[in-house]
This record gives sequence, structure tokens and C-alpha cells, in this order.
Amino acid sequence: ELKVEQNPLFLSMQEGKNYTIYCNYSTTSDRLYWYRQDPGKSLESLFVLLSNGAVKQEGRLMASLDTKARLSTLHITAAVHDLSATYFCAVDVGTASKLTFGTGTRLQVTL
Amino acid sequence: NAGVMQNPRHLVRRRGQEARLRCSPMKGHSHVYWYRQLPEEGLKFMVYLQKENIIDESGMPKERFSAEFPKEGPSILRIQQVVRGDSAAYFCASSPGARHPIYTFGSGTRLTVV
Repeated sequence: ELKVEQNPLFLSMQEGKNYTIYCNYSTTSDRLYWYRQDPGKSLESLFVLLSNGAVKQEGRLMASLDTKARLSTLHITAAVHDLSATYFCAVDVGTASKLTFGTGTRLQVTL
Repeated sequence: NAGVMQNPRHLVRRRGQEARLRCSPMKGHSHVYWYRQLPEEGLKFMVYLQKENIIDESGMPKERFSAEFPKEGPSILRIQQVVRGDSAAYFCASSPGARHPIYTFGSGTRLTVV
């Protein structure tokens, strides 16, 4: 059974600081997704990583994928309050079959 | 492009009643997925459907839950004889298919069983 683990589960950081969220998964896959969820809302797609070594950046967020290590990272640069949300990684091991989600990282950016 | 449409947004049911959740995929998407999210948890896969076919229902509880995606109309997730433990947010996602593994999520239906 595929397991997807994120750490940390909760992250409180000050504005302007940098930090990294880690996503480990237990089965070979080259499709990794990052989503953002605000309280009571749906999931917003942030990044889709489709190959080993893929790196994508959008604003203060950068995601990377190492399929050999079965690891993806979401790096936050110079955090701002608007980034406060829960971030999920998800892995797709089939042929567009289904996503297995991590436990989520609740990010709180303080002034 | 309306995106993935789910309704209702909120649904309250008494124990023992039936709940019907609807999902219309994005235009051009023929694959539909249902996920359940309990409070403070991640999403858990329930079922994957294409038009008139259930492809993978490995995440569906064996009893009281069923799903369909008819030739015409939205996908329906049906929960019979609801219990308090069914209270959760139910999300639908759609994708164009295997060659385009992009999943778009709807706004979800928040089911409360009282």
C-alpha cells in the first residue's frame, strides 16, 4: 500500500523567513502534485511534477522532485502572511487512476 | 469554463436518511474521482469512474456507499442510511485522462449528519 508522508505536520514561521516542507512516498512514481487548501475551501493546484529532477517555481514557492529518493520538497522563500494555508502533496502511481495524499502541512505565517 | 461543479455545497441529513452528492466534471473531462476528507485530515480516495463504468472502487466502504457516472448527467455519490461517522467533506475531481494527468477539484460538499 502506498504511503505518503509529509513533515512537518504543522509549521509556524515568521514573515520573511525561508522553510522547506518534505514529502516522502513509498512506491515508485514519477507524478507528484502539490495543492493548497484554505480552511473550508477546495484544493488549489500549485505544481505538477512529472519527471525526475523536475523543478517548478511560482512566486515564493518552489517545488522539486527526486524520484530515486522518492522525495519532493516545497520550498518557501521569504514567507508572507497570505501563504498561510494547509499544503498537501499527492502521488499518482497509476495511469491517471487516483491520487494518494499526504497528511498535509498546516502553515501559519506570523507577522 | 465552469470548472468542476459540485452540489449541494452543504448538506444536512438525519441519521438513517440518504445523501446524494452530485458532480459535473469540467468540459472535456471524462474521468471523475471522489475523495473524502475528515476534519484535520488529508483526502482519501473513494472511487474512480468513467462514463457508465466504475474503474476503481477500492476506497469505497463495502456497504451503504455507491457511485455512478451515467451517460448523461452528473456523477452521483450516494450514501444510504447515513451515520454520524459519514460527516465529512466530499470532493470530486475530474481529469481529461491518462495522457493528461491533471486533476481539477470541485468546491466540495460538506455533509453533516445529525
